[in-house]
Amino acid sequence: GDSVTQMEGPVTLSEEAFLTINCTYTATGYPSLFWYVQYPGEGLQLLLKATKADDKGSNKGFEATYRKETTSFHLEKGSVQVSDSAVYFCALGHQGGSEKLVFGKGTKLTVNP
Amino acid sequence: DAMVIQNPRYQVTQFGKPVTLSCSQTLNHNVMYWYQQKSSQAPKLLFHYYDKDFNNEADTPDNFQSRRPNTSFCFLDIRSPGLGDAAMYLCATSRGGRLNTEAFFGQGTRLTVV
Repeated sequence: GDSVTQMEGPVTLSEEAFLTINCTYTATGYPSLFWYVQYPGEGLQLLLKATKADDKGSNKGFEATYRKETTSFHLEKGSVQVSDSAVYFCALGHQGGSEKLVFGKGTKLTVNP
Repeated sequence: DAMVIQNPRYQVTQFGKPVTLSCSQTLNHNVMYWYQQKSSQAPKLLFHYYDKDFNNEADTPDNFQSRRPNTSFCFLDIRSPGLGDAAMYLCATSRGGRLNTEAFFGQGTRLTVV
């Protein structure tokens, strides 16, 4: 079945450091890929998405490129801020006869001033 | 703004006492989902409605039920909550009808079982 694997957390960085959170997936067909962010005590918010191979999703300084050859969708940001502290979930959307999102386990990011 | 609204944000219920969580949406989306998220874990899909069609996940316990009386509202009923059902419950919607549409989430209801 479909699955998403994220790098283990937690990740702790200093402000203005470079961020990479790795995500790889296993899926049949051609899924769309998403990054969701969850701030403490809140629901999930879509951060960015990519719907086909080589697409780059970007938002709020975050980027991720859909790499079909490596089945990856790594999240990057050049300079993190304290306000980026949250849990980040990689997910894939695969219709397969029904509408479903499959999530990775999440990576907790803490950014210190 | 169009959105997904969950009520209440926090719910405390007694062990074994039925509880209902509610979700409403102003997006007019076809699909509504309920996810369970336990501490430090990924959201786990319990079931979803595509319009009026109910789709239950194979491993969702019978203790969890859902109702969707109209497009805008969806309810999660827990018939006999156990301590293990304490979690954040997330409602989400998507347009449906096309491949790989994104989901829009509510803020969640945190359920405590005492």
